[in-house]
Amino acid sequence: KAGVTQTPRYLIKTRGQQVTLSCSPISGHRSVSWYQQTPGQGLQFLFEYFSETQRNKGNFPGRFSGRQFSNSRSEMNVSTLELGDSALYLCASSLADSGRGETQYFGPGTRLLVL
Amino acid sequence: AQTVTQSQPEMSVQEAETVTLSCTYDTSESDYYLFWYKQPPSRQMILVIRQEAYKQQNATENRFSVNFQKAAKSFSLKISDSQLGDAAMYFCAYSLYGGSQGNLIFGKGTKLSVKP
Repeated sequence: KAGVTQTPRYLIKTRGQQVTLSCSPISGHRSVSWYQQTPGQGLQFLFEYFSETQRNKGNFPGRFSGRQFSNSRSEMNVSTLELGDSALYLCASSLADSGRGETQYFGPGTRLLVL
Repeated sequence: AQTVTQSQPEMSVQEAETVTLSCTYDTSESDYYLFWYKQPPSRQMILVIRQEAYKQQNATENRFSVNFQKAAKSFSLKISDSQLGDAAMYFCAYSLYGGSQGNLIFGKGTKLSVKP
């Protein structure tokens, strides 16, 4: 099975712009979660989507949004970019079928640099 | 709120030796999952090992094993026969049983160096 894929892998934007990142989960996985990784704050949970619905959300401003499509692929969008949004954005997928804590499998990440 | 603490920002081990990475967590829940993830430099984060809190037996995966002390809220990772490829950032993570499955809470990580 192919692993979690993320596109693009690298992105450079300027302040005020918006950006859309894409994530394709492992085939059969229905849950997609997004995390932000920075040297200062570490790994922080953004949100999780399951069956096209946002099921859980971390403590991030409304500029961060996401969605999930019927094929479980997910996108996250950051509007009005700030310098502090520079980070590695990781996507993770899991089966999420059993109602128990499922193992999450991570993609390679999208490295976003905001200038 | 649940928290995960890794008190060792950096660790070093000689090749073929054994090293233990520490992790403590805080939660008022009784059912949860704990994980160790490995993130090599500029590479993908991968699962090393997972532990269900309701299981008393410590999880093992080849050279990797954990010491899970539920009462002490401690979850350490032991790497035996360390190899050069074990050099990476190691993250301890917590996940609540059921409910918010997508919410992994991570520690700050421990950078492990392996000396030849």
